[in-house]
This record gives sequence, structure tokens and C-alpha cells, in this order.
Amino acid sequence: RKEVEQDPGPFNVPEGATVAFNCTYSNSASQSFFWYRQDCRKEPKLLMSVYSSGNEDGRFTAQLNRASQYISLLIRDSKLSDSATYLCVVNEKYNDMRFGAGTRLTVKP
Amino acid sequence: AAGVIQSPRHLIKEKRETATLKCYPIPRHDTVYWYQQGPGQDPQFLISFYEKMQSDKGSIPDRFSAQQFSDYHSELNMSSLELGDSALYFCASSVRTGEVTEYFGPGTRLTVT
Repeated sequence: RKEVEQDPGPFNVPEGATVAFNCTYSNSASQSFFWYRQDCRKEPKLLMSVYSSGNEDGRFTAQLNRASQYISLLIRDSKLSDSATYLCVVNEKYNDMRFGAGTRLTVKP
Repeated sequence: AAGVIQSPRHLIKEKRETATLKCYPIPRHDTVYWYQQGPGQDPQFLISFYEKMQSDKGSIPDRFSAQQFSDYHSELNMSSLELGDSALYFCASSVRTGEVTEYFGPGTRLTVT
């Protein structure tokens, strides 16, 4: 079983839609959590960190549930430019980032 | 703001040849990580260095080696290349204080023919 699991999608949504991605992780000792965005053939870029209290950055909201070992990302009012692969990343210790396989999102006009 | 620099951006090699990939971390970052991303796959951790010492090892083949130099740049040396080594190789850097967030370079696309 993979340490970090995501629904690979693809998610195809119209502009303006709200879409949610989920991610589960297996190591309860994991320390920090992130969402990265990766465009085709480009490097992963940090989208946002995920905190237990939940955090919001504009149209993006991330939540962490340690008890259920579950992370989510909500995108509101989807834009065409949001089309990308979203990687859930769990840091088990300082040098041990574990990536999910990514969820592919396509936002259509 | 300065980002992680990788060179070369593209590299074509033949089977059994060697390749050297270079990574220049963000200034004042003390940790460098190497990842390999095959087509349609998520990045797989290869190896990392903290303050010029190897700090963790992932799925790096024995044919590969890496080091971090006194100026914190890192090189990934790959020998006896195989077709399956064709991938995107990302370098990331971070600083070991507070939340450890990795920032990725643009990657080197290696094609082995």
C-alpha cells in the first residue's frame, strides 16, 4: 500500500465549479503536509501548507484531519488556469517527503 | 526571488554512458534533495544532503552517486545508463528551520537512447 494515496481523477469541471481533492496517508507520525501543483512537464510548485486548524488562501482551502489521517484541498470558483495535477505531499521526517500520485484537474470553459 | 537552478535542462545520452546533473539550491538553503519522475509517475525520492553530508537515501540505484559541495551545490552522477533511466530529475532545496518546505528546480529531462 502506498504511503500517500490520492484519487488520480481525472476531474473535469466547468469554470466556476467547486472541486475537492482528498488524500490519505498511512504514517500517523507524519509531521507536515502540503499541496503542490504540477503543470505538464514542469516542476512541482508549492501551493500551500496544510495545518490542523485548516487554512485558506484565496479560492483554495486546505484541511488536515490527523485522527483520520486525511488531507483535503478545496478549490472554489475554478479557473481555466487551475488545470494541473495536484500532488498531496506528506513529510514523515526532515528528509522524507512522500508524494501522492497526483490528481489531474481539467477546468473547461 | 532566487529559485533552484538545475543544469542541463535537457540531456540525451546513449545506453551505458554516464551523465552528471547539477543543482544549485536557493541561497541559504542547507538541504538538497534529488527526485526522479518517470512519465506519468509521481516524483520518487533518490537521495538528500544536509550541510554537505548525505542525510537520507531513497530508491537510488547503485549506479548513481551524488554529493553536495562546499558551496552547497549538488551533483548527481549516473553511470551505465539504462533506457529506464529516462525521466525528469528534479532537485529541491530547503532550510532546516521551522517548517521544512521543499522548493523544486525546473528539472533535467534525461533521455537515454
